[in-house]
Amino acid sequence: AQTVTQSQPEMSVQEAETVTLSCTYDTSESDYYLFWYKQPPSRQMILVIRQEAYKQQNATENRFSVNFQKAAKSFSLKISDSQLGDAAMYFCAWGAQKLVFGQGTRLTINP
Amino acid sequence: EAGVAQSPRYKIIEKRQSVAFWCNPISGHATLYWYQQILGQGPKLLIQFQNNGVVDDSQLPKDRFSAERLKGVDSTLKIQPAKLEDSAVYLCASSLEPRNQPQHFGDGTRLSIL
Repeated sequence: AQTVTQSQPEMSVQEAETVTLSCTYDTSESDYYLFWYKQPPSRQMILVIRQEAYKQQNATENRFSVNFQKAAKSFSLKISDSQLGDAAMYFCAWGAQKLVFGQGTRLTINP
Repeated sequence: EAGVAQSPRYKIIEKRQSVAFWCNPISGHATLYWYQQILGQGPKLLIQFQNNGVVDDSQLPKDRFSAERLKGVDSTLKIQPAKLEDSAVYLCASSLEPRNQPQHFGDGTRLSIL
C-alpha cells in the first residue's frame, strides 16, 4: 500500500522569506504523479503543483517549486517570497488511480 | 468553468440519524471521488466512480455508508445510521480521467454528530 508522510505538523516563515515543506512517500508503482494541495480555512483543496514521476526535471509554478528525489522517494515544496495569502494547510499527495494524502503541514506567515 | 458543487455546506445531526450529501462534478469529468477528512488529518478516499460504475470502495464502511451516481453525473453519499466518529468534512472531487489527472475539489460538507 502507498503511504505519504509529512514530518512537519507546523511551519512558520517571515513574509517575503523562503520556506520548504517536506514530504516522503512509499510506493512500488513506477507510473504515478505527486501533488501538493493547499487547503485554506474555506476547506477547498487547491492544487498548487504536480510532478510526473517519469520526469527528472523539477516542476515549478511561479513562486512554488519542488525538489523531487525519486530514488529517495522525497518530494519537498519550496515557497519563495512568501505572502500572507500562502497561509494554509499544505498536503502532499501521491496519485495514480486515486490520491493518498499525508497528514498535512500548517504554514503560518508572519508579517 | 464552474467548479465542483457540493451541498449542504454544514450539517448537524444526532447519532443514529441519517444524512445525505450531494455533489455535482465539473462538466465532462468522468471520474468522481468522495473523501472523508477527519479534523487534523489528510483526506481519505471513501469511493471512486468512473461514469456510473464503482472503481474503488475498499475503504467505504458499507454497513452504514452508501453512494450512488446513477446517471454518471451528480452523486449522493449517504450515512445511515450516523456514529460520533463520522464527524468530519466530506469532500467531493472530480477529474477528466481516472489516472494521473489532477483532481478538482469542492468546498466540502462539514458534518457534526451530537
